[in-house]
Order: sequence, then C-alpha cells, then structure tokens
Amino acid sequence: DIQMTQSPSSLPASVGDRVTITCRASQRISTYLNWYQQKPGKAPKLLIYAASSLQSGVPSRFSGSGSGTDFTLTISSLQLEDFATYYCQHSSSTLYTFGQGTKLEIK
Amino acid sequence: QITLKESGPTLMKPTQTLTLTCSFSGFSLTTSGVGVGWIRQPPGKALEWLALIYWDDDKRYNPSLKNRLTITKDTSKNQVVLTMTNADPVDTGTYYCAHRGSYYGDLDFWGQGTLVTVSS
Repeated sequence: DIQMTQSPSSLPASVGDRVTITCRASQRISTYLNWYQQKPGKAPKLLIYAASSLQSGVPSRFSGSGSGTDFTLTISSLQLEDFATYYCQHSSSTLYTFGQGTKLEIK
Repeated sequence: QITLKESGPTLMKPTQTLTLTCSFSGFSLTTSGVGVGWIRQPPGKALEWLALIYWDDDKRYNPSLKNRLTITKDTSKNQVVLTMTNADPVDTGTYYCAHRGSYYGDLDFWGQGTLVTVSS
C-alpha cells in the first residue's frame, strides 16, 4: 500500500509569511494528490486537487505543485484564517490514503 | 448545491454494530463517475479513510478494516449506509461522509460529521 508522509508535523508561522508543506508518497502516484484544510470542530475543506488545480472558491494564495512522489502546498502570504491543519490525500483504484497532517500554528 | 449529512448513534457499547447513514442531495448516485466515501477522525488525530461506493455499486474498503465494514447505497432514498461490526473504544471519533469530486479522487463536499463514542 502507498504511504503518504507529510512534513513538518507542525509549522509555526506569522501572518504574511510564505509557507510550504511537503507530502511524499512511498511510490510514484503521478498527480493523484489532493490537499485539504481542516479547522477545529469542522469538516475538511478541499483546497487543491490533481496536485495543482485550485478548487473553486479557494483563494489564489494557495497553490500546489509536484508529481511522482514529491508534492508541495504553498501559501504565498499567510492570513489569520489560514491557521489550521492541512492534509494531503492520494487515491488509487483501490483505496484512499491521507497523510498524518501538518498543523500550521501562530508563531 | 451538494449537501451531505451523517446520522447514527452517539454512544454505543463495545462489540455492538455501528450503523451510520449518509443522506445527501444535489447529486445522484446513479450518475456515472459519482462516489460517496466515509472517513473518520479519532479525537485529536488524523483523518482515516474507511470506504467508498461508486455509482456502479463498485466498493472499496480500507484493508485494515475490511473485515468489519460494509458500505451500501439506496439510490431511491439518496442514502449511503456504512456498517462496522464489533465496535471497540478505539473506534471512537467523528465520522464523515463525502462526495467524490473527480477522477482524481478528491472529496469536494463533506458532511458536518457525527461523533460516535464507544464505551462500556
């Protein structure tokens, strides 16, 4: 089974910072990689699908890149509402797999 | 507008069978390509995918839980049901259902989640 590993697990940052979260797959997965944001007590929200496509309604400060095994989620200029936990997710023909999450915290 | 809502027990005892219902609107599970999945999240922990059912009744399960899970659909009621046998306290958490958005397996619409506690 494919494993998804995110880094870092937690990331202290400040408003206005540019931040990058990494997700690595244990096997090549082309661009079958999606990113979600989750705030406490809320359901996850889809940000990026197919590695780099911005979901409708998501601010353009969010971007995704990568293919194969290495992927990144970048927030170009952090806003207060962006402090949350972020998950990557891969789907194959047989199963779905989430990363362990990256908690973006206020420095 | 796509919406999903989970329903089920809030408290159950170990060894009981958990039955969760996802009621949805705004799409049909008879439309080619459509899928509905279940995901759970123990308190303070990461998301864990459980199962997914496609429009053609194809089903996929998390291998680590496959022996305990059954996912079914009722297209006339716009519902997807997940059953999990032999509940254990480690199954405590929030259970979500979600709509599969595209061929890339993204989950673009989620229910609000329902908290299930397993305790004796």
